[in-house]
Amino acid sequence: AQSVTQLDSQVPVFEEAPVELRCNYSSSVSVYLFWYVQYPNQGLQLLLKYLSGSTLVKGINGFEAEFNKSQTSFHLRKPSVHISDTAEYFCAVTTSGGSYIPTFGRGTSLIVHP
Amino acid sequence: NAGVTQTPKFRVLKTGQSMTLLCAQDMNHEYMYWYRQDPGMGLRLIHYSVGEGTTAKGEVPDGYNVSRLKKQNFLLGLESAAPSQTSVYFCASSGLDNEQFFGPGTRLTVL
Repeated sequence: AQSVTQLDSQVPVFEEAPVELRCNYSSSVSVYLFWYVQYPNQGLQLLLKYLSGSTLVKGINGFEAEFNKSQTSFHLRKPSVHISDTAEYFCAVTTSGGSYIPTFGRGTSLIVHP
Repeated sequence: NAGVTQTPKFRVLKTGQSMTLLCAQDMNHEYMYWYRQDPGMGLRLIHYSVGEGTTAKGEVPDGYNVSRLKKQNFLLGLESAAPSQTSVYFCASSGLDNEQFFGPGTRLTVL
């Protein structure tokens, strides 16, 4: 069985500051990892994904994440946030090789203050 | 290319009433999912389907039924709505890498 832990339920930051949203997972097999963003009153959309290859993954809106197999982590980072980045962020994991069912973390609310 | 669409967007039901939520995707995806989202709980999987004519239970299936008669459609039914089913419901579809494409959601209130 797989699981995902998002360590912070809420992260407040000031505009133009860097931010890191933390995600740890557990799985006994190889995984695919995802970060999704949900703006208020909208569905989720993909920010970035790790399937294989380079452990540093770049996504939309200037976000990036690094897959760390030894730490079983997939933390999301942005060097300088904007007010428009205020949203809910979800980390998700699925096992590679035929699994159909992703497991989502409970989400981290990023609040960017002016 | 509309992606994933859901109808209706909002609905208010009385306890005991029934309804069906419709999800449609135009990406020829094999896999489709129904989730519910509640504050502080993240996304919880209700039912999913790995192909036309097949469905399976997820984490919280009680009180819901689903059908996938056509590849592009995935229906979620509530036979007898309860206040505990007040939630936002999201449909999603995915291809082989499991990247989820989400619909805009249905906000359901059960009085």
